Amino acid sequence: AQSVTQPDIHITVSEGASLELRCNYSYGATPYLFWYVQSPGQGLQLLLKYFSGDTLVQGIKGFEAEFKRSQSSFNLRKPSVHWSDAAEYFCAVGDGGGGADGLTFGKGTHLIIQP
Amino acid sequence: EPEVTQTPSHQVTQMGQEVILRCVPISNHLYFYWYRQILGQKVEFLVSFYNNEISEKSEIFDDQFSVERPDGSNFTLKIRSTKLEDSAMYFCASNQGHFGEAFFGQGTRLTVV
Repeated sequence: AQSVTQPDIHITVSEGASLELRCNYSYGATPYLFWYVQSPGQGLQLLLKYFSGDTLVQGIKGFEAEFKRSQSSFNLRKPSVHWSDAAEYFCAVGDGGGGADGLTFGKGTHLIIQP
Repeated sequence: EPEVTQTPSHQVTQMGQEVILRCVPISNHLYFYWYRQILGQKVEFLVSFYNNEISEKSEIFDDQFSVERPDGSNFTLKIRSTKLEDSAMYFCASNQGHFGEAFFGQGTRLTVV
């Protein structure tokens, strides 16, 4: 069965500093990988996704993620965080490209931005 | 920008009562989903729905749960006899198709007392 691990429950970063959120997955075939963000009181918004091709994917809001098959990882990065990036971040894996098959989510990482 | 809308945003119900959570997916989307997130835990897949029938369901989605698309626009999740452990945030999502992005609603917080 597929699974997703986000080892960091909380991360605190100073505004303007770089950010890396970790995500490891377990999946037998080529995974379809996603990062979602949830701001307080909001739904889940897709930041970026990886299906195939270039292993470095660019997303919205200045985020990027790199798929590393050898490490079963799909870490999310941002070179300089803004206070508005404070939110809950979820990594997810799917096996159908987002069609009939549901996504398997990690537990999430709560990002706190220090002024 | 089109969005998935869910109502109500918060519902409190007594144990044993039936609840219906409502969702309006994006109009040209073909796949519809329900997920739930128990407080402090991960978002869990419940069910997907395509072409007016369930495509896939998780082991969480037992006989207490049902889904329906009654009128071509709404997509509902019914819990027949709620239990305390059904308390969670329930998210609806929709997707145009394979390799598309799943758009999520803001969620309905269900509290069973």
